[in-house]
Amino acid sequence: DSGVTQTPKHLITATGQRVTLRCSPRSGDLSVYWYQQSLDQGLQFLIQYYNGEERAKGNILERFSAQQFPDLHSELNLSSLELGDSALYFCASSVGGWTYNEQFFGPGTRLTVL
Amino acid sequence: AQTVTQSQPEMSVQEAETVTLSCTYDTSENNYYLFWYKQPPSRQMILVIRQEAYKQQNATENRFSVNFQKAAKSFSLKISDSQLGDTAMYFCASGSGYALNFGKGTSLLVTP
Repeated sequence: DSGVTQTPKHLITATGQRVTLRCSPRSGDLSVYWYQQSLDQGLQFLIQYYNGEERAKGNILERFSAQQFPDLHSELNLSSLELGDSALYFCASSVGGWTYNEQFFGPGTRLTVL
Repeated sequence: AQTVTQSQPEMSVQEAETVTLSCTYDTSENNYYLFWYKQPPSRQMILVIRQEAYKQQNATENRFSVNFQKAAKSFSLKISDSQLGDTAMYFCASGSGYALNFGKGTSLLVTP
C-alpha cells in the first residue's frame, strides 16, 4: 500500500458524459501527478500540482481539467468523453515537486467509456 | 522533450536465473533522473530502482541493479536470482524537472 488513495476503482460511463476522479496523496506529500495508461499510448503524464498550484502540464486534452484543493486532495475532471478515453488513470504523490522526489502511485481508476 | 525506448516488448526467464531488460533514452538535459518501475498484475506501480545521472556508480537494490551508460544513453535493469513474484510489466522512465516520461514497457514472465 503506497498510501495514495484513488476513488472510484472502476467507472463505466457513456460517450459524451463527464466524470470526476479523486485522489488523496500520502500524508505530508505536497505534489500530485496524474497519469493516463492506455494500451496504445502507454503511460503518459497529464498534469502536476504542487501545494495547490499547477506546476507542469503534459499531454492533457482540453476536455480534461484538474485541480488540487487546500487539503491537498486532487480531482481530475474528464468531459465529453470518447471511446478513446478508456484507460487506467493513475495519481501519484511526492513530498516535493521534482523528479528526484520519489513518486508513490495510487492503485488507479479504471475508466471504461461505452 | 525526453523519450524513452524499451525495445523488448516481452521476455521470459527461468526462476533463479538472471535477466537484463534494456532501455535507452534521449534527453538534452544535463541533470536528470532515471527510474525502473514494476507493474504486477495488480496494476500497482512500484518503484524498483532509480539512478541520478550525475552519479557514475550504478545503483543497486538487493537483486536489482542497473547498468547506466551515460554516453550511450542506456539504462538497463538486471534482475538476479529471478523469482516468480518478479513477473510483471517493467517500465523505464526518465525525468528532469517535474514529471516522468515512461517507455512502453517490457512484460517479464518468470517461469518455474
